[in-house]
Amino acid sequence: DAKTTQPPSMDCAEGRAANLPCNHSTISGNEYVYWYRQIHSQGPQYIIHGLKNNETNEMASLIITEDRKSSTLILPHATLRDTAVYYCIVRVASNTGNQFYFGTGTSLTVIP
Amino acid sequence: EAGVAQSPRYKIIEKRQSVAFWCNPISGHATLYWYQQILGQGPKLLIQFQNNGVVDDSQLPKDRFSAERLKGVDSTLKIQPAKLEDSAVYLCASSLSPRGLYEKLFFGSGTQLSVL
Repeated sequence: DAKTTQPPSMDCAEGRAANLPCNHSTISGNEYVYWYRQIHSQGPQYIIHGLKNNETNEMASLIITEDRKSSTLILPHATLRDTAVYYCIVRVASNTGNQFYFGTGTSLTVIP
Repeated sequence: EAGVAQSPRYKIIEKRQSVAFWCNPISGHATLYWYQQILGQGPKLLIQFQNNGVVDDSQLPKDRFSAERLKGVDSTLKIQPAKLEDSAVYLCASSLSPRGLYEKLFFGSGTQLSVL
């Protein structure tokens, strides 16, 4: 069962910020939001994750709403190499460990 | 640091045949995951190991799929017999700690299976 909802596709002009939204309205208090991306024929690659505070690293920024029901991944200056499928994931904790539930992802195309 | 290794990269079989995939996780990673990714969909968890024990196999079709991680290091996923709907990319991932706050999954490049 999908725990996240994302638009199926988006375009972004090269050099502009790409803002990818994600809805996770059923998220629980101890569940983290992760973002991964997958370039064709490769395995998914970690981008960033957070619980409730906004996070930034060398790749992207993650903005999580105060009620934690949605988030946005921001790629500040998109390049052609950022063309990929981006997955918003909820990490569910259990007694035996963590489970990562992938949604259907957003296919981002960066346009020259 | 070496990444997650998977083999073979591609496999083509006929339905009802059997097939096996191999995964070697990053050294020291206790948790190993097998995911199935059907074309156009996100990865779906099949089975999760903690060292050599299974912690979640609720979505593994046990009548035809099996997996093992005998020494808590590398792992094998087997399908016997294969069906047309098993055509997918099979991804292996590993993580250092199953409960860490900063747990990350590291993925291999996957094995692309085509069942004819």
